[in-house]
Amino acid sequence: AQRVTQPEKLLSVFKGAPVELKCNYSYSGSPELFWYVQYSRQRLQLLLRHISRESIKGFTADLNKGETSFHLKKPFAQEEDSAMYYCALNHGSSNTGKLIFGQGTTLQVKP
Amino acid sequence: DAGVTQSPTHLIKTRGQHVTLRCSPISGHKSVSWYQQVLGQGPQFIFQYYEKEERGRGNFPDRFSARQFPNYSSELNVNALLLGDSALYLCASSLIAGGRETQYFGPGTRLLVL
Repeated sequence: AQRVTQPEKLLSVFKGAPVELKCNYSYSGSPELFWYVQYSRQRLQLLLRHISRESIKGFTADLNKGETSFHLKKPFAQEEDSAMYYCALNHGSSNTGKLIFGQGTTLQVKP
Repeated sequence: DAGVTQSPTHLIKTRGQHVTLRCSPISGHKSVSWYQQVLGQGPQFIFQYYEKEERGRGNFPDRFSARQFPNYSSELNVNALLLGDSALYLCASSLIAGGRETQYFGPGTRLLVL
């Protein structure tokens, strides 16, 4: 079964510390992975996708098919990074738009 | 552009009642998806519509139904409400560009079933 697992409900770090939000997935085909973020009182928004291989707001994520992981990393956390982060998987079939989300991790960056 | 809009923002119903939630996609987007987010969980896929046709359905009972209109707006209907239907219902519209689909989420409708 397709599944996305985020093992940490809460990750608390100090400003300037490195951050790694873990995401593991279960999928037999070629998945498309995403990270979505929800800041306080705002709507869910796309942060990055593995296909783009880009860095957004200093965050990067690398798809590791061997370990079936897509961890989100940032070398130096900022207070404005505090938010709820969701890892999501699209099963890769063209134009289906079915996202499978993990349970989410709350990132708390302390001053 | 206001982004994806949803109405109402909040709703209180009692068990057994019926509810209709509405979604307007971003202009130019032809696909709308619905998700249910129970407190403490990630969003769970309910339906996707594209060009007024159902393109995907999640693991939800037949009490849940949806439709898409010619202007690409959408309604989600839930019959015979149960306490467990209390959740945030999210709508997302999507654009396909360069073979990639990106979903843009609305603010959600918070439904409380008493």
